[in-house]
Amino acid sequence: QKEVEQDPGPLSVPEGAIVSLNCTYSNSAFQYFMWYRQYSRKGPELLMYTYSSGNKEDGRFTAQVDKSSKYISLFIRDSQPSDSATYLCAMRGSGANSKLTFGKGITLSVRP
Amino acid sequence: EPEVTQTPSHQVTQMGQEVILRCVPISNHLYFYWYRQILGQKVEFLVSFYNNEISEKSEIFDDQFSVERPDGSNFTLKIRSTKLEDSAMYFCASSRQGMSNQPQHFGDGTRLSIL
Repeated sequence: QKEVEQDPGPLSVPEGAIVSLNCTYSNSAFQYFMWYRQYSRKGPELLMYTYSSGNKEDGRFTAQVDKSSKYISLFIRDSQPSDSATYLCAMRGSGANSKLTFGKGITLSVRP
Repeated sequence: EPEVTQTPSHQVTQMGQEVILRCVPISNHLYFYWYRQILGQKVEFLVSFYNNEISEKSEIFDDQFSVERPDGSNFTLKIRSTKLEDSAMYFCASSRQGMSNQPQHFGDGTRLSIL
């Protein structure tokens, strides 16, 4: 089983839709969970950063972590064409082990 | 907002040649990282660096790779003798601390093409 698996894409939605992006993981040592957004020819841009289980909201974005199920989600409300990008989930353990393990990414297209 | 900058944006090199990729991390950050992304694949960790030494490296980071912080602002990745399979996007990242409550911020990458 791969350490981090992300729903395959691509995903196309109409403007204004609610988008749900998901990742599962197998390593119980992961404690910190991130979502990065990557536009074409750009580097990953940090969107959300959460610790352990629970929800975190930032504007139209909500990150959800369920450690018991080893499942994380990113919800985008009122999606906009400017949200069209590739979304990467990433996670890391606690302490000195600082490397990020990424999902493969999903490409989202929001149609006007 | 401070950002990580990488140069060049695209590097084309003949197989067997040495290449140096350059990064300027965010100025008050102390931990530095290199990742790579082969076309169509996941972003993969290569190496982390703190206090002028490697903290952790992946199995990808073999003897052909080295990192250096030659001065107070630059952080470089050197590939000694490039192979075709080294073709990828290389991302530099930095964080304020290595502890897990500090996120890593990424540059826009260098696209390395080996001919």
